[in-house]
Amino acid sequence: DTGVSQNPRHKITKRGQNVTFRCDPISEHNRLYWYRQTLGQGPEFLTYFQNEAQLEKSRLLSDRFSAERPKGSFSTLEIQRTEQGDSAMYLCASSWTGSPQETQYFGPGTRLLVL
Amino acid sequence: AQKITQTQPGMFVQEKEAVTLDCTYDTSDPSYGLFWYKQPSSGEMIFLIYQGSYDQQNATEGRYSLNFQKARKSANLVISASQLGDSAMYFCAMSRPKNAGNMLTFGGGTRLMVKP
Repeated sequence: DTGVSQNPRHKITKRGQNVTFRCDPISEHNRLYWYRQTLGQGPEFLTYFQNEAQLEKSRLLSDRFSAERPKGSFSTLEIQRTEQGDSAMYLCASSWTGSPQETQYFGPGTRLLVL
Repeated sequence: AQKITQTQPGMFVQEKEAVTLDCTYDTSDPSYGLFWYKQPSSGEMIFLIYQGSYDQQNATEGRYSLNFQKARKSANLVISASQLGDSAMYFCAMSRPKNAGNMLTFGGGTRLMVKP
């Protein structure tokens, strides 16, 4: 049973460039979440999908951010025109609504550094 | 709005001793879940233990137990017989109700350091 995977694990980019991250959830999980974690802080919710539908977006998700989950399986998070403030760890998690406690299982994260 | 507070930025514990990591929460949701995650230096969030708001008994998972005091809005994690591999960041988190999306709100974390 494979866990949540994320690619790439690390990304260094220059300010103004676009970046895209991928998340592959646990196969039977129908919900997928994106969180952002800055140094020394706990993760903060960005957005989530149930199957292919994006159901909620946090105010943290500016217009430069877009997320998709086209077939209800993997998801991508794109950041356009990156800024130095976007430097953070981007965490993906998945869960199954059919389980009583609906625990979210996290991937290893993508560390983004914007120069 | 939900809020999680972890008041201990860092904790030391001697190997093989028990340690309690504090967590208090605030929410207006009648139903919620409380979770603890461990984050080693590699960055991955590892699920440790869950407590439902309506659960009467405190949750236990191996060396981890959750001291849930609903009236005090606290959900402290107890790690028994600490091991060197327990050194990591620990995050307390609360979930929204399932029909509201189940997204997690995290505290600021506690760094636990186990001394040999």
